[in-house]
Amino acid sequence: EADIYQTPRYLVIGTGKKITLECSQTMGHDKMYWYQQDPGMELHLIHYSYGVNSTEKGDLSSESTVSRIRTEHFPLTLESARPSHTSQYLCASQSPIAGETDTQYFGPGTRLTVL
Amino acid sequence: DQQVKQNSPSLSVQEGRISILNCDYTNSMFDYFLWYKKYPAEGPTFLISISSIKDKNEDGRFTVFLNKSAKHLSLHIVPSQPGDSAVYFCAASSYGGSQGNLIFGKGTKLSVKP
Repeated sequence: EADIYQTPRYLVIGTGKKITLECSQTMGHDKMYWYQQDPGMELHLIHYSYGVNSTEKGDLSSESTVSRIRTEHFPLTLESARPSHTSQYLCASQSPIAGETDTQYFGPGTRLTVL
Repeated sequence: DQQVKQNSPSLSVQEGRISILNCDYTNSMFDYFLWYKKYPAEGPTFLISISSIKDKNEDGRFTVFLNKSAKHLSLHIVPSQPGDSAVYFCAASSYGGSQGNLIFGKGTKLSVKP
């Protein structure tokens, strides 16, 4: 199982603030993902990366941006937070082990509330 | 249009009995399926997976069944325990198609009563 960390776990912030959600993993996984999830809804992919300097937008349009300068680190940034950004943000990395190629392992998530 | 559907938002089961969680999919290109368990305010935890070349995979109390002709899979938990109470997500991918990105269902909230 992957060791994947997210900080902060909870964040309450005012409208217009810039925020960065941190995600790091210690397993050397190349593939990393950011999902957004609201209660009772499916996880929506908002960003993914297949390695250093690789970032792609996911299925759900998001005003956030990501960067991948190091393999282990995949931060997500919101330049100007709005109440509509209130959600749970989940980071995941993917195992490259043969036989479980598509298995993703998740961090604990960041619960973001924008007032 | 949802490609992965979990039509039961909730399920309540008595401790010791079997829990059966269902999932339907529409994309015939999906070839790998996973079940995740999620507690409130935590990230999903990988439970069990199955490749489309199999119709059953078992891991302890958890068994996943895949019926490709019906585009249906189910997760059986036997015996159910109160600690199993959580939201269960079904996910699918088409390896080599969508670069392995997972498509999730909306989840089923399982409550196991003592």
